[in-house]
Parts: sequence; C-alpha cells; structure tokens
Amino acid sequence: TQLLEQSPQFLSIQEGENLTVYCNSSSVFSSLQWYRQEPGEGPVLLVTVVTGGEVKKLKRLTFQFGDARKDSSLHITAAQPGDTGLYLCAGASLTGTASKLTFGTGTRLQVTL
Amino acid sequence: ETGVTQSPTHLIKTRGQQVTLRCSSQSGHNTVSWYQQALGQGPQFIFQYYREEENGRGNFPPRFSGLQFPNYSSELNVNALELDDSALYLCASSLLAGSYYEQYFGPGTRLTVT
Repeated sequence: TQLLEQSPQFLSIQEGENLTVYCNSSSVFSSLQWYRQEPGEGPVLLVTVVTGGEVKKLKRLTFQFGDARKDSSLHITAAQPGDTGLYLCAGASLTGTASKLTFGTGTRLQVTL
Repeated sequence: ETGVTQSPTHLIKTRGQQVTLRCSSQSGHNTVSWYQQALGQGPQFIFQYYREEENGRGNFPPRFSGLQFPNYSSELNVNALELDDSALYLCASSLLAGSYYEQYFGPGTRLTVT
C-alpha cells in the first residue's frame, strides 16, 4: 500500500514568516503534484515535479522532488494571508493502465496578519 | 477553455438509497478519475475511465460504479448508500491516462447520507 505522509499537519504562522511542508513516502512515484484546497472546493494544481532532484519555483513557492522520487518539499517565503489553505501532495503511479494519485494527509496552513 | 464541472453541488440522501453524480471533463481531456474525500482526509482514488471503459480501480466495493460517455463526461453511481459514504466526491480530468499527465479537479459534490 502506497502512503504519503505530510508534516506538519497544522501550521499557524504570521505574515512574513517562512515555512516548509514535507511529503514523505517509502514508494517511488512517476511524478508528484502539489495542490491547494479551499474549504468546500476541489484541489487546485500548483505544480508537478517529475525528475528526481528537480526544483521548481512559483513566485514565493519553491517545490523540490527528492533524488529517489519518494519525497518532496514545499517552501513558502514571506507567507501572506492569501496562502491560507490545505496543501496536499499527491504521488502519481499506474494501477493497471490507470494513472492514480495517492494523496498525502494534508497540511493545513493559516497565515495571520 | 472550460474547466471541470460537477453536478449537483450538494446532495442529501437516506441510507439504502442510490445516487448519481455527474462530471464534465476539461475541454480536450479524454480521461476522467473519481475520488472520495472524507472530512479531514486527503482524496482517495475510486476509479478511472478512459475511452468509455474503466481502466483502473481503487479499494472501493462494486456498489461504486461509473460510466463515461462519448463526449468524455462521466457519472459516478453509488448503490445501497451507507452513512460512511458521506464525503466530498471529486472528479478529475486529464489529457491522457498515463501517470505523467496532470489531473485537474472539479469543485466536487458534497454528499450527505442520513
């Protein structure tokens, strides 16, 4: 069974602080995707990382895929209240001919003024 | 470009009833996946449809079934509803069925079983 563990589960910080969210697994994934989800809405794709060791930047967000493609991290610089939400990592793999996403447990981030 | 849409937004059903949820994929996408997200948890893979056939399934019982139509839209059917089926049901579409293709999610259908 593939499992993705995220840490921390909850994070409450003040505007301007930096933070890192970790996503770890014992399984290898073809790619890893990070999503942000608002209450009552579907997850919104932030980034996809495919190559081991890959680093991608999206404005103040930096995503890294581990060399062995089993883990990933999301770093936010100078957090803003608009960054508040549930952050989910999801590993992509094939089950039969279907491409499924295995989601992490999620990190709920709250950024206050 | 139209994103993934789902209907209805909310639904309340009684235990033992049947329900049908609908999804329209993003323009140009031919693969649809369904996920169940219980409160406080990450989404769980139910199944995926590609070219109108189920091409993969997660750990869900046969009372969870689906369809995909020639226009790539999809339905999720759940029979004999149980209280634990209360969840947010998410539909995601992707360009193709390979694991390198990104999945884009709809807003979900909130199902409550009483």
